[in-house]
Amino acid sequence: NFMLTQPHSVSESLGKTVTISCTRSSGSIASSYVQWYQQRPGSCPTTVIYDDNQRPSGVPDRFSGSIDSSSNSAFLTISGLQTEDEADYYCQSYDFISQSYDSSMGVFGGGTKLTVL
Amino acid sequence: EVQLLESGGGLVRPGGSLRLSCAASGFTFSSYVMSWVRQAPGKGLEWVSGISDSGGSTYDADSVKGRFTISRDNAKNTLYLQMNSLRAEDTAVYYCAKDRHAWDTARRFDKWGQGTLVTVSS
Repeated sequence: NFMLTQPHSVSESLGKTVTISCTRSSGSIASSYVQWYQQRPGSCPTTVIYDDNQRPSGVPDRFSGSIDSSSNSAFLTISGLQTEDEADYYCQSYDFISQSYDSSMGVFGGGTKLTVL
Repeated sequence: EVQLLESGGGLVRPGGSLRLSCAASGFTFSSYVMSWVRQAPGKGLEWVSGISDSGGSTYDADSVKGRFTISRDNAKNTLYLQMNSLRAEDTAVYYCAKDRHAWDTARRFDKWGQGTLVTVSS
């Protein structure tokens, strides 16, 4: 089993760029895809990035994802920050349950609160 | 349009039981692995349980193993979570979540319900 560690909070000014990290505790970050979810207060999570760097339709291209094997981390970058980007962001990956890799369990990071100043 | 609608939450005493339901529509329910994910008040997301598309295999987090049972009725397009021996630390909003791809072995969620609140308190 592994854990995903995120900073508890980040803040940046309107119009600027912010990057949120998600560090995997063991095993390679590249061994299972990373998703990023945005959650506004009182709402359910929605996907902003899936499969490390793919954007669902409807998500602005201001949102981008990447992974870095040297730091064993995934990153969510939001450029041109807008007030509506203020939310909690969660990274998520999965851990295969058996050696046959026929199913997996979800693993979430602890979440990062983004404040847009 | 994909829709997931949870129900069954409420206030229950420690040691009690509750059954949650998630009614699915807008996709071929029987082709997708489904999961329950919970969020304690002011806390992060925690994957709780998953069930294969056929219902033949289930998987649970250690925190609920032996107490919670996930099941599904593909004829009714409904996912369930039977919660027994409830504890205060099970207090949370419970979401059902759909995998992004049919028959997938990897948990990648693309749609969530609005959640149902379970409160365990005396």
